[in-house]
Amino acid sequence: QKEVEQDPGPLSVPEGAIVSLNCTYSNSAFQYFMWYRQYSRKGPELLMYTYSSGNKEDGRFTAQVDKSSKYISLFIRDSQPSDSATYLCAMSAQGGSQGNLIFGKGTKLSVKP
Amino acid sequence: KAGVTQTPRYLIKTRGQQVTLSCSPISGHRSVSWYQQTPGQGLQFLFEYFSETQRNKGNFPGRFSGRQFSNSRSEMNVSTLELGDSALYLCASSRSSGGAGDTQYFGPGTRLTVL
Repeated sequence: QKEVEQDPGPLSVPEGAIVSLNCTYSNSAFQYFMWYRQYSRKGPELLMYTYSSGNKEDGRFTAQVDKSSKYISLFIRDSQPSDSATYLCAMSAQGGSQGNLIFGKGTKLSVKP
Repeated sequence: KAGVTQTPRYLIKTRGQQVTLSCSPISGHRSVSWYQQTPGQGLQFLFEYFSETQRNKGNFPGRFSGRQFSNSRSEMNVSTLELGDSALYLCASSRSSGGAGDTQYFGPGTRLTVL
């Protein structure tokens, strides 16, 4: 079993839809959780960073962490064609700033106009 | 504020050669991490440098090495290249201050093709 599992998609939704992206993990030591967005031929861009369990909201994006279920989610409201990208979850036991982030394989999202 | 920069952006090498990739972190960032991204394995951690010392290391063979200079710039080297080393190599930097929200910011990557 891989440490982090993420459905690779692809996921295709119409513009304006609510998108739900998820990751599960097996290592209970993970406490720091991140979502990155990666456009084609670019490096990953940090979207959300959360510590431990709970919710965090930033504009159209909401990140949820449920440590008891070892499950994290990213919700995108009012999705736009510009949201079309690969979304990567990442997590760490040591803290987001200290190397060794463990990544999911990414979910490719396409938002159709 | 300038982001993480990586040079070169594209590189083509042949099997058996060696390669050196360079990374300049965001100003004020002291930690530099390197990752390999392939379609099959996704993003995998190579190693992290902080204050010129390797702080963390992933599960890659000794052909992969790195170093960090006093100005926090970092280089990684791959010796005796194999076809399977073809990948996007990403560098990420962080303040590593332990503060809330301190996390890693990625550069655009160097795409290495081994023929």
